[in-house]
Amino acid sequence: DAGVIQSPRHEVTEMGQEVTLRCKPISGHDYLFWYRQTMMRGLELLIYFNNNVPIDDSGMPEDRFSAKMPNASFSTLKIQPSEPRDSAVYFCASGGAGTINYGYTFGSGTRLTVV
Amino acid sequence: GENVEQHPSTLSVQEGDSAVIKCTYSDSASNYFPWYKQELGKGPQLIIDIRSNVGEKKDQRIAVTLNKTAKHFSLHITETQPEDSAVYFCAANEGGGADGLTFGKGTHLIIQP
Repeated sequence: DAGVIQSPRHEVTEMGQEVTLRCKPISGHDYLFWYRQTMMRGLELLIYFNNNVPIDDSGMPEDRFSAKMPNASFSTLKIQPSEPRDSAVYFCASGGAGTINYGYTFGSGTRLTVV
Repeated sequence: GENVEQHPSTLSVQEGDSAVIKCTYSDSASNYFPWYKQELGKGPQLIIDIRSNVGEKKDQRIAVTLNKTAKHFSLHITETQPEDSAVYFCAANEGGGADGLTFGKGTHLIIQP
């Protein structure tokens, strides 16, 4: 298995532009999580899906952030418009049924820089 | 919601010595406690986990202990090696059946040769 695949690995964009981050979870995993990592705040859960349905989006910082999971093999995290404070590493993770039984597998992350 | 505190933020040990990282959590309903290792430029990788029905779990040089009464858990690494240098995160699940994990702020473990 190729693991959790995220793209792009690095993204540099100007303030005000739309940014789309992509994630392909491990086949057969029915949970998908989006996390953000910064030095100040550590790893923060933004949103997670179960069977493609958003379950908890309470961590999404504001309306500029949106996430979708149109099918079991693909998810996107969109920021529109982007701001410098959105600069961070964004991780996608997936887990099998009963995540506490299997733990998460993280992707390699997307390093976002908003200038 | 759950709150996880992790100490120390940086830990430097001599190669071959042991390292201990400690975490506390706030939600008494939490029942799953994984540990992740993150190397530079990579995503966190699950290295060991423990569930609330056991007090200790060991996997080769790595062990985790859990004290549910005190709401704290620890990672122990024995005979440390240079490849153990990384950032380590503890986490706890949200109680009440939710599936999200709350992470500690991380410990940067440095193995001195």
